[in-house]
Amino acid sequence: EDQVTQSPEALRLQEGESSSLNCSYTVSGLRGLFWYRQDPGKGPEFLFTLYSAGEEKEKERLKATLTKKESFLHITAPKPEDSATYLCAVQAAPQNNDMRFGAGTRLTVKP
Amino acid sequence: DAGVIQSPRHEVTEMGQEVTLRCKPISGHDYLFWYRQTMMRGLELLIYFNNNVPIDDSGMPEDRFSAKMPNASFSTLKIQPSEPRDSAVYFCASSPGTLNQPQHFGDGTRLSIL
Repeated sequence: EDQVTQSPEALRLQEGESSSLNCSYTVSGLRGLFWYRQDPGKGPEFLFTLYSAGEEKEKERLKATLTKKESFLHITAPKPEDSATYLCAVQAAPQNNDMRFGAGTRLTVKP
Repeated sequence: DAGVIQSPRHEVTEMGQEVTLRCKPISGHDYLFWYRQTMMRGLELLIYFNNNVPIDDSGMPEDRFSAKMPNASFSTLKIQPSEPRDSAVYFCASSPGTLNQPQHFGDGTRLSIL
């Protein structure tokens, strides 16, 4: 069965303290790995899609990378407004259009 | 552009009552998904539609849950009769018709069954 595991469950950082979130997956036939940000009381907001090992995507202070077994979301010099829950999800063959989500990492950035 | 719109944002009702949640997907998106989010189980896919046709409803917890998509711009998720364990946040999402595209979520309906 496809599995997506995120670690750590929660992460507290000081403003400016860079770190990484992990998403490990076991699926047969990965079609895409997705990162989302979720703020309290809101729906998940799409950040990145990664399709193949070695691929990287960047947006402001965030950088996502992908290997054959896991993905990392690197946060460089975070700010308090980066505080949110970060979710990863995978799409795998043959069910190409539904996604399995991890439980998320709750990030808190203190000023 | 308008995103996915869900209504109501909050619903509080008593056990045994019928609950109807509504969703308007992004115009032009061919796929529509219904999810449930709880602290214990995270985000779970309940059902999804392609071009208004239900494709996979294996995540629907039991017969008390039903979903319809009468046209490309509207879908409902109904619970009848509702139970306290149905309390959760229900999200609707939509995505374009091509494969491997990200889903775009609404802001959810927070459902409390007393």
